[in-house]
Amino acid sequence: QVQLEESGGGLVKPGGSLRLSCAASGFTFSDYYMSWIRQAPGKGLEWVSYISSSGGTIYNADSVKGRFTISRDNAKNSLYLQMNSLRAEDTAVYFCARGGRARHMDVWGKGTTVTVSS
Amino acid sequence: QSVLTQPPSVSGAPGQRVTISCTGSSSNIGAGYDVHWYQNLPGTAPKLLIYGNTNRPSGVPDRFSGSKSGTSASLAITGLQAEDEADYYCQSYDSSLSGSVFGGGTKLTVL
Repeated sequence: QVQLEESGGGLVKPGGSLRLSCAASGFTFSDYYMSWIRQAPGKGLEWVSYISSSGGTIYNADSVKGRFTISRDNAKNSLYLQMNSLRAEDTAVYFCARGGRARHMDVWGKGTTVTVSS
Repeated sequence: QSVLTQPPSVSGAPGQRVTISCTGSSSNIGAGYDVHWYQNLPGTAPKLLIYGNTNRPSGVPDRFSGSKSGTSASLAITGLQAEDEADYYCQSYDSSLSGSVFGGGTKLTVL
């Protein structure tokens, strides 16, 4: 069935780096735009980053510009989020989702938890 | 401060009808961009409820409906059930931010 599964979360010190992965299955990954969304503890959903189906168009939220980089490998059906210069306020559950930007997000992974703390 | 404004909470008794509003501006909902709605149960991934303002994905009961007018949108839930107790989020696109925007979320309590 159609599925997304995130991995790579963990505990990291402020200023550190982490790379999240999202494995897609059950659909033609290369046909779809993909997004990363996060949810800080007790807070609402926040869009983080978006990449077009080919990877040629990328948009990032102002809160992560210059620090986070979204990428994809269509041959491996995988989406990535490279997170550098991490801050305490980046602590959240990170979800990958199919779709995004002006479009709806119809498939979501279960999320991976990132904790930034010394 | 979210770009889209939702009431923090709503409540209703089983069987009743509740609505959740989502208010934006001329750079998002008012510019004609679609509004989508998600249901989020604690500890789980958000689930798409309504897309393109009024459309329900397969499997979503017709008790859930969406509407849009001007710079606002609404989610209506009729025949309220205990299992509807969750957080609900609206989402649209903002041209000035060049990205997706979410409402702050509304906690629905079934009394």
